[in-house]
Amino acid sequence: DVKVTQSSRYLVKRTGEKVFLECVQDMDHENMFWYRQDPGLGLRLIYFSYDVKMKEKGDIPEGYSVSREKKERFSLILESASTNQTSMYLCASLPFQGNTEAFFGQGTRLTVV
Amino acid sequence: GENVEQHPSTLSVQEGDSAVIKCTYSDSASNYFPWYKQELGKRPQLIIDIRSNVGEKKDQRIAVTLNKTAKHFSLHITETQPEDSAVYFCAATSGSARQLTFGSGTQLTVLP
Repeated sequence: DVKVTQSSRYLVKRTGEKVFLECVQDMDHENMFWYRQDPGLGLRLIYFSYDVKMKEKGDIPEGYSVSREKKERFSLILESASTNQTSMYLCASLPFQGNTEAFFGQGTRLTVV
Repeated sequence: GENVEQHPSTLSVQEGDSAVIKCTYSDSASNYFPWYKQELGKRPQLIIDIRSNVGEKKDQRIAVTLNKTAKHFSLHITETQPEDSAVYFCAATSGSARQLTFGSGTQLTVLP
């Protein structure tokens, strides 16, 4: 059974804190993604990575950074959390060829107070 | 990059009726079009997909059609049941771009 696991299901952080969201996959996938999900806005791509130490900006990268030191792990970093970053964050992974099924983590509901 | 538009944003149907969700895409290089279903509180999961060399694909009560010329594709659910209630996302990718671009989602409600 394939697995994408996010480190936290729920997280509450204070404004200005540095926040780390972790995602681990056990499928040896090359591509990993971080999406933000807000009502009415769908899944918006923050960053993606197609290889270790490689990263590309998505549609809404402002206020975020990422790290991919190992193939199986992709971290999303909020350098200084703000209330407008309160959202559901979803990690996904995809094999190299890209045009096949993506697998999602269970999501992290982040609240910034 | 790719832009995917999805309509409608909400859809309510009576149990047993059909539901249709439509998406358009912008990148003519896109060749893979999956549909994901997200039940409340759960992760999105693939329910059906279609590749650009096929015009239609069917799996029991769900089907997807693709019109490459017009750059649009649609999800059809027949004989809807309450368990079909969920958010549905379309997506498009060319594979080589290594990106997966989603539509904004459709909240489908099947009324008993």
